Amino acid sequence: AQSVTQLDSHVSVSEGTPVLLRCNYSSSYSPSLFWYVQHPNKGLQLLLKYTSAATLVKGINGFEAEFKKSETSFHLTKPSAHMSDAAEYFCVVSEIMNSGGGADGLTFGKGTHLIIQP
Amino acid sequence: DAGITQSPRHKVTETGTPVTLRCHQTENHRYMYWYRQDPGHGLRLIHYSYGVKDTDKGEVSDGYSVSRSKTEDFLLTLESATSSQTSVYFCAISESGISLLTGELFFGEGSRLTVL
Repeated sequence: AQSVTQLDSHVSVSEGTPVLLRCNYSSSYSPSLFWYVQHPNKGLQLLLKYTSAATLVKGINGFEAEFKKSETSFHLTKPSAHMSDAAEYFCVVSEIMNSGGGADGLTFGKGTHLIIQP
Repeated sequence: DAGITQSPRHKVTETGTPVTLRCHQTENHRYMYWYRQDPGHGLRLIHYSYGVKDTDKGEVSDGYSVSRSKTEDFLLTLESATSSQTSVYFCAISESGISLLTGELFFGEGSRLTVL
């Protein structure tokens, strides 16, 4: 069975400083991993994805994440935070677990609330 | 933005009443999903559909039913609402099941349901 753990429920950084949101996963197979972002009162939007190609993945708005199999981690980073980055971030792991290919193969983390201090 | 519309966006109802949430898409995607989002739980799958009249249960399906009579519409029904079903409900779509490997789910803006 797969699982995902977001290590921090809240992260607060100052504008212009680096952002690090941590995610560890467990999977019986070779997983695909994703980060989604949710701005207040909005739906989730795909930020970036890892699907067994390059281990360093670049996403939208200057975010990137590195897949580290030995550490079972997929941490999200950004060199310089912007006020518009304030949002909820979800780490997601995916396995196709049955022939239907249904969404029961997706597991969401509990989310990390990113706060940007001016 | 993907063409996904949820209605109603906000609803307050009383325990024991039926509630139906509607998801309408204009993308002609085969797969549609209903999730609920609760603090400290992330998103949890309620039901999903892989075609017209083809649906299956997700992780938290008890107390919910769904129907899909047209490609573009996916309805979530709470037959008799309870306070534990107070939540924000999200509809999502994907082009195909294999899209899950690419993580390409597109979400609506959510429906906030309060059951008193």
